[in-house]
Amino acid sequence: QVQLVESGGGVVQPGRSLRLSCAASGFNFNIYGMYWVRQAPGKGLEWVAVISYDGSDKNYGDSVKGRFTVSRDNSKNTLYLQMNSLRAEDTAVYYCARENYYGSGPHYMDVWGKGTTVTVSS
Amino acid sequence: DIQMTQSPSSLSASVGDRVTIPCRASQNIDNYLNWYQQKPGMAPKLLIFAASTLQSGVPSRFSGSGSGTDFTLTISSLQPEDFATYYCQQSHSTPTFGGGTKVEIK
Repeated sequence: QVQLVESGGGVVQPGRSLRLSCAASGFNFNIYGMYWVRQAPGKGLEWVAVISYDGSDKNYGDSVKGRFTVSRDNSKNTLYLQMNSLRAEDTAVYYCARENYYGSGPHYMDVWGKGTTVTVSS
Repeated sequence: DIQMTQSPSSLSASVGDRVTIPCRASQNIDNYLNWYQQKPGMAPKLLIFAASTLQSGVPSRFSGSGSGTDFTLTISSLQPEDFATYYCQQSHSTPTFGGGTKVEIK
């Protein structure tokens, strides 16, 4: 079945780095754009990053721009999020999600992983 | 950035009630509006995309309406499994989510 599984979360000190992974299965990964979305404890959803199906286009939320890098390896059906210079406010559950389109117009996140938790604390 | 506003942040309702959840965009987003449901400890689930198109497998008691800046998610007859938080999200530009509306048991 269509599935996304995140991994790589954990507890990390401020200023350090962490790399998250998202393994895709059950669909043709290399034709879909992919998102990272996070949710701080008790808070709402925040878009973090998006990458096009071939990795040629990337975009980031203002709060992570310059610190986080999204990438993908289509040969391994895996999405990544490299997080550098981590701050306490990056503490959140991080979800990966698949991008789908309605015709050539509205796009949406139709498949989500269960998330991986990142805690930034000294 | 386009701001998405969901008010109220919570509402109380009973099983069988008709529930409407509003969402407002800070500028015109045509029909680039999606709705998600999230239950505690779980990932969000897509309910509605393109403002009014029901995602496959989602019960028909859920419906979406609106265009431009004002949108509504309607649950025609609230079921016990519908108590959750609902988020709107615009995809007209870089994605932004509303703050969510939590539907609680009255």
